[in-house]
Amino acid sequence: EAQVTQNPRYLITVTGKKLTVTCSQNMNHEYMSWYRQDPGLGLRQIYYSMNVEVTDKGDVPEGYKVSRKEKRNFPLILESPSPNQTSLYFCASSLRTGGLSSYEQYFGPGTRLTVT
Amino acid sequence: AQSVSQHNHHVILSEAASLELGCNYSYGGTVNLFWYVQYPGQHLQLLLKYFSGDPLVKGIKGFEAEFIKSKFSFNLRKPSVQWSDTAEYFCAVTEWGNTGKLIFGQGTTLQVKP
Repeated sequence: EAQVTQNPRYLITVTGKKLTVTCSQNMNHEYMSWYRQDPGLGLRQIYYSMNVEVTDKGDVPEGYKVSRKEKRNFPLILESPSPNQTSLYFCASSLRTGGLSSYEQYFGPGTRLTVT
Repeated sequence: AQSVSQHNHHVILSEAASLELGCNYSYGGTVNLFWYVQYPGQHLQLLLKYFSGDPLVKGIKGFEAEFIKSKFSFNLRKPSVQWSDTAEYFCAVTEWGNTGKLIFGQGTTLQVKP
C-alpha cells in the first residue's frame, strides 16, 4: 500500500531533550516536506526536500533540522525542543514538483508533540 | 508574500443543506489549487485539485470547486451535505513551477447535524 508513515504518533517530552520524528514514504517520491498544524493558523511548512541531499527552509524553520540521506526517509529533528513547538506535525511527499504542474502531496498520519 | 484566506472558520449545516466554502489567494501568477479534507483524528486527504483547463473541477465524494481567476477564488461546493462530511477543510495553493510549497488557508471546520 502506498503511504507515508510517521513515528511516533504521539510524543510528550520536556524542554531541551533532543528528539527525532521519522517520516518514510514507499512511493519513490522525490519531494518531501514537513508541516506543523496549529489552531487558527492552518498548516505551515517547516522544511522541504526536492531530492536526496537537497533540503531548504520553509516558512517556520527555526528550531528544526532535517536531513535527506535516502530518498524514502526525511526525519525531523528538534535539537532542543521548547513549549512553543507543541503542535501537530505532518510529513508529506509528492512525485516531484515544478515544471508544468505540481503533483498532489500525500500526507502522513501526523505526530502530536507536546513539550512541557 | 503569497497567502490564502478562508472566510468561514466554522460552519454548521443540517444534512441535505448545500455547502459553499470560500477561498481566496493572493498570488497573481499561475497557480495550482487544492482542497484538502481532514476528518477527525485523521490525516489530510486530497478532495480535488486544479492545474489548468476547465475551471469547474469535480472531486471525490460529490465535491466540486470553481476557479475564478479574476476573483482569485477557488470556492468549494457540495449540493447536499451528509453527516459524514463533518471535518476540517483546507484550501491550499502552490505557485506554478515553484519549490512545491503548499500554502494553506486557516481551515474551515464543518459540522453537519443529522
